[in-house]
Amino acid sequence: ELKVEQNPLFLSMQEGKNYTIYCNYSTTSDRLYWYRQDPGKSLESLFVLLSNGAVKQEGRLMASLDTKARLSTLHITAAVHDLSATYFCAVDRSGNEKLTFGTGTRLTIIP
Amino acid sequence: EPEVTQTPSHQVTQMGQEVILRCVPISNHLYFYWYRQILGQKVEFLVSFYNNEISEKSEIFDDQFSVERPDGSNFTLKIRSTKLEDSAMYFCATRTGGAWNSPLHFGNGTRLTVT
Repeated sequence: ELKVEQNPLFLSMQEGKNYTIYCNYSTTSDRLYWYRQDPGKSLESLFVLLSNGAVKQEGRLMASLDTKARLSTLHITAAVHDLSATYFCAVDRSGNEKLTFGTGTRLTIIP
Repeated sequence: EPEVTQTPSHQVTQMGQEVILRCVPISNHLYFYWYRQILGQKVEFLVSFYNNEISEKSEIFDDQFSVERPDGSNFTLKIRSTKLEDSAMYFCATRTGGAWNSPLHFGNGTRLTVT
């Protein structure tokens, strides 16, 4: 059974600081996704990572994938309040079917 | 930008009643999914649907659940006899058929409350 774990579960950080969210998964995977969810809202796709060593950046967020370590990271640079949300990683093992989501990291940016 | 549309946004029902949740996928998308999220917890896969049939389902998706795409546009999730533990946010998601690396596009969800 594929398991996806994130840490930390909760993260409170000051504006302007840098931090990293970690996503570990238990078995070989084809693809890894990062999603953002605001309270009571839907899931917004942030990144799709397809291969070992993949790195993608959008604004203050950068995601990377190490398939050998079964690890993805989401790095936040110089955090701003607008980035407060819950971030989920999700792994797609079989190609077109289900995503297995991580537990989520609730990020709160403090002014 | 095209969106996945779900209705209703909030449904309150009594235990034992049937509910139907509706989703209008993005027009050129061929793969359809239902996920659910119990309040404060992670998102869980329920079922995937392609070419008018279920392609995969989870243990959650038991005989009380069914999906169909009756008119080629709406994609529905039916729960025949709701239980208290069915209370959750239900998300419809779709993806294109051609781009194997395309992300899922999620709708805004239906909050189901079973009393």
